[in-house]
Parts: sequence; structure tokens; C-alpha cells
Amino acid sequence: QAQLVESGGGLVKPGGSLRLSCAASGFIFSDYYMTWIRQAPGKGLEWLSYISGSGRIIYYTDSIKGRFTISRDNAKNSLYLQINSLRAEDTAVYYCARDSGSGSFRFDYWGQGTLVTVSS
Amino acid sequence: QSALTQPASVSGSPGQSITISCTGTSNDIGGHNYVSWYQQHPGKAPKLIIFEVTNRPSGVSSRFSGSKSANTASLTISGLQAEDEADYYCCSYRSDNSPCAFGGGTKLTVL
Repeated sequence: QAQLVESGGGLVKPGGSLRLSCAASGFIFSDYYMTWIRQAPGKGLEWLSYISGSGRIIYYTDSIKGRFTISRDNAKNSLYLQINSLRAEDTAVYYCARDSGSGSFRFDYWGQGTLVTVSS
Repeated sequence: QSALTQPASVSGSPGQSITISCTGTSNDIGGHNYVSWYQQHPGKAPKLIIFEVTNRPSGVSSRFSGSKSANTASLTISGLQAEDEADYYCCSYRSDNSPCAFGGGTKLTVL
């Protein structure tokens, strides 16, 4: 059974940085595209970024380009999201998810989420 | 503002059927069959219930079905049950610089 566990969230001051991690288990991690999705309090889902199994294909939503960096370490079965220049509007639960459709946005397994709060 | 438009809320009584629409453009829903639907209960992670417009993952009830016509995708839930009360989100591939879009979400209330 596939499992995803996010970590790295917390309270950060505006302008600060965070690195979120997602530990994968129960499947061949390198075979799958992985994605980050966030949900602000009381709001809907927002897709942020995805990365191919090899790491060679990466896409971001326009609103985060230049501040967020997705990466993966297949040897450690881990996915990462580096977030810089944090703003209040980045406050959200951040989910990692597996894309079983190889970039077709079939997110079949999700982590429990990690909460990022940006406040002074 | 979400790229895909969903009704904010729908409701139905147990046993009834409801349909949630998700309207986009020819750059997303109308141009591809990569439309998926997710169910989210309060405080929980979303769950995939439909992928590629009409397909159900293993373990998802056959009461959930998906369809598409032109630029609008739809999720139908038949035989409504109390546990179906949740938020539902559509998602589509987009052929532009941001390749994935979610709808704003629909809150389903089972009366």
C-alpha cells in the first residue's frame, strides 16, 4: 500500500524560507510523477507543481514561479518543495500526491498534509 | 478565481441523485480527457473518485460516475448516502503555462 508522509511545515515570518519534505513508501517511487498541492484555510485546492519520475520534467503554476522549487531524491524515496520569500498568502496545508497517470493529473495517493503558517 | 467553475453548493436527500458540473474552456476540459474528481471530507486529504472523465479507481463505489460534454464535465452521485456529504473538486489538464487547474469546489449536503 502506497504511503506519503509530509513534514517540514510550521510557523514562519514573512520573507522566510521553508523546505517541505514528502517521504514515500510502498511503491517504486522513481516510476511516478509527483506533485504538490496546497489548500489555504477554508479555501479550495491549488495545484502548485509536478516533477517526473526522473526529475527531468518540471512544471509550476504561474503564481509561484521563481519562489518555489520542486525536487526529488529517488535514492531516498523523497520529494521536496523549497519555498522562499514566504508571504501571508502562502499560509496553507501543503499536500504531496502521487500522479499515477504520468502527468495526466490522476492523483491517487495523498499525504496527510503539512501546515505552513506565515505570520509575524 | 479558479480556472474551472463549479457550483458552490448542491444538496439532495438520501437515495436521490445529484450532479455537480465543472465548466472550463477548450484549453482544458474541452480539449482533453484528463479530467478527474476528488472527494474531501473535513480535515482529511482529498480522495480520487474519477479519473480521465469516466473511470473509477478500484474500490470507489459505482454510485459515482463522470461524464463530459464540450467544455463541461459532470460528476453524478446516485443513491445518495449520508457519508457522501463532503466537498468535491474537479481537476483538468490545461494546454497552457499552468498545466493543471482545479475547480473552486462544491459542498454537497445530504439533507
